[in-house]
Amino acid sequence: DARVTQTPRHKVTEMGQEVTMRCQPILGHNTVFWYRQTMMQGLELLAYFRNRAPLDDSGMPKDRFSAEMPDATLATLKIQPSEPRDSAVYFCASGLGLTDTQYFGPGTRLTVL
Amino acid sequence: GEDVEQSLFLSVREGDSSVINCTYTDSSSTYLYWYKQEPGAGLQLLTYIFSNMDMKQDQRLTVLLNKKDKHLSLRIADTQTGDSAIYFCAETPSNTGKLIFGQGTTLQVKP
Repeated sequence: DARVTQTPRHKVTEMGQEVTMRCQPILGHNTVFWYRQTMMQGLELLAYFRNRAPLDDSGMPKDRFSAEMPDATLATLKIQPSEPRDSAVYFCASGLGLTDTQYFGPGTRLTVL
Repeated sequence: GEDVEQSLFLSVREGDSSVINCTYTDSSSTYLYWYKQEPGAGLQLLTYIFSNMDMKQDQRLTVLLNKKDKHLSLRIADTQTGDSAIYFCAETPSNTGKLIFGQGTTLQVKP
């Protein structure tokens, strides 16, 4: 049963600390997306990759957020330094192509105190 | 611009049909999607419809698409308590791959 996995599932940290979230896309999927979900803003696209190359990260605050794909089986989203307003659930999704159906992971619930 | 609108809440009785509505703005979207999110969980793809289709049926789910009015609906027949969740409509404008989500409709199913 192929699925997207994300770690950690929950993270509580203090303001100013670095946070790294990881995602393992479904094997064979070449497109990876990062979304953020908050009560106020709903679901927002932060960044996405195709064949490990970043295609669009315009939804991401560049000064503190960075997204990478070190290899085809791992995508990372890093926040440094974290702030309380970054508290949200961060979802990773993967797909076979840019317009293919996206399959979501279970999310990382981040709380920044 | 890109915008997807949904009503925020729907309450039905078990066994009734539920209809969740959505309007979108970008007519270039090739596919339109419905996702389901249960409490504390990720988004589960329920169904999708190709933009040149008017209707798609999948067991208890029926999706209707009115391209002229940019209106999408999801009908759940014989709604069960297990259908209680948040339902998101999404479009992918201009085949960019970017999913633009609505705010989500919370479906409450009363026994």
